[in-house]
Amino acid sequence: DTGVSQDPRHKITKRGQNVTFRCDPISEHNRLYWYRQTLGQGPEFLTYFQNEAQLEKSRLLSDRFSAERPKGSFSTLEIQRTEQGDSAMYLCASRVQTNEKLFFGSGTQLSVL
Amino acid sequence: RKEVEQDPGPFNVPEGATVAFNCTYSNSASQSFFWYRQDCRKEPKLLMSVYSSGNEDGRFTAQLNRASQYISLLIRDSKLSDSATYLCVVNWPFSQGGKLIFGQGTELSVKP
Repeated sequence: DTGVSQDPRHKITKRGQNVTFRCDPISEHNRLYWYRQTLGQGPEFLTYFQNEAQLEKSRLLSDRFSAERPKGSFSTLEIQRTEQGDSAMYLCASRVQTNEKLFFGSGTQLSVL
Repeated sequence: RKEVEQDPGPFNVPEGATVAFNCTYSNSASQSFFWYRQDCRKEPKLLMSVYSSGNEDGRFTAQLNRASQYISLLIRDSKLSDSATYLCVVNWPFSQGGKLIFGQGTELSVKP
């Protein structure tokens, strides 16, 4: 499978715990994006990378959220001290720098109890 | 003002109807625009890019009005399979961060 893959597909955690999600983009894609989506809303931009550089991070994102893409390939998104409001689908997407089409993974559904 | 704003839904239309979705964006320097389709509990997928001169792909027509910072999607002869949420997407210029911003989506339901 040469698409964008995300792991895990589902995560249930208790409030206050830390969680980490992984995204493996399509191998030749330089740009990698993270979004958060709740029911009835469009994907909300969180952050994006060009290779290993994090170029933009949403001002809406609290300091509890951090993302890395250490070697310019896979990326991780960590949420510290989770809150119930963090419950959402977390989507990763990638694209070739000069190509406009964005390819999405299937997402990680987070439920914070 | 929201960065990208779409018509509120849902739109409920009969098969064969023509339906139009509108979207406005706040950043006048934006250069790239897209429409994505999202089926229930699935990831978004590109429907079509939006070009300055307007473009058509079968029953779908996209238009851009830079002066009004407005894009639209027209669907002719609606099919049951067109039922989905349609997302307007705007690419901020690289000089301003280059992020891709989605609208909140407009839900379309095509009925027999």
